[in-house]
Amino acid sequence: NAGVTQTPKFQVLKTGQSMTLQCAQDMNHEYMSWYRQDPGMGLRLIHYSVGAGITDQGEVPNGYNVSRSTTEDFPLRLLSAAPSQTSVYFCASSSPGGPPKLFFGSGTQLSVL
Amino acid sequence: AQSVSQHNHHVILSEAASLELGCNYSYGGTVNLFWYVQYPGQHLQLLLKYFSGDPLVKGIKGFEAEFIKSKFSFNLRKPSVQWSDTAEYFCAVTSSGNTGKLIFGQGTTLQVKP
Repeated sequence: NAGVTQTPKFQVLKTGQSMTLQCAQDMNHEYMSWYRQDPGMGLRLIHYSVGAGITDQGEVPNGYNVSRSTTEDFPLRLLSAAPSQTSVYFCASSSPGGPPKLFFGSGTQLSVL
Repeated sequence: AQSVSQHNHHVILSEAASLELGCNYSYGGTVNLFWYVQYPGQHLQLLLKYFSGDPLVKGIKGFEAEFIKSKFSFNLRKPSVQWSDTAEYFCAVTSSGNTGKLIFGQGTTLQVKP
């Protein structure tokens, strides 16, 4: 089982560039979410989705867009990258019903110059 | 809004020392509590979780945590740490209504000296 797959693992952008971080899961999980990890701040929720076609904002949504056209995929878009978006990004998925059990991807390390 | 506070940001211990990492949360309802570990260069792994029942939960690698509802705490403990426990540790909480969202603490970096 692949679990939660994130691509790319590393990315360097210039300020103002756009890019999409990919996240795919093969566990048929309805719930998916994006977090960013910054030193001293833990992981903060950017956006999440409870199913295809349904997304909502987390704690730090500004500067990021998401869409959920399929159950498997939940891409995170940076429309105009800023140095403040330099971070490590994690995607997670889980199933509804019962206590939550999140599966995390291996992360994308993004640097914005 | 829910929040999680980890008191220790950076802990340095010698091998065989005992470990206790503090975690407090703010939420008045029923909660699910987690401790995750992130070893250098790796992604998050679940150490242990509390959903209900016995407030003393045991996880992998000899870790345990105690849920004290009256103190809104979920402290992580290990009687004797090893060099391989060097990692960053995160406490997280979610409400009992499962929405797949976790609120994380700031993290504690543990450095174990051989």
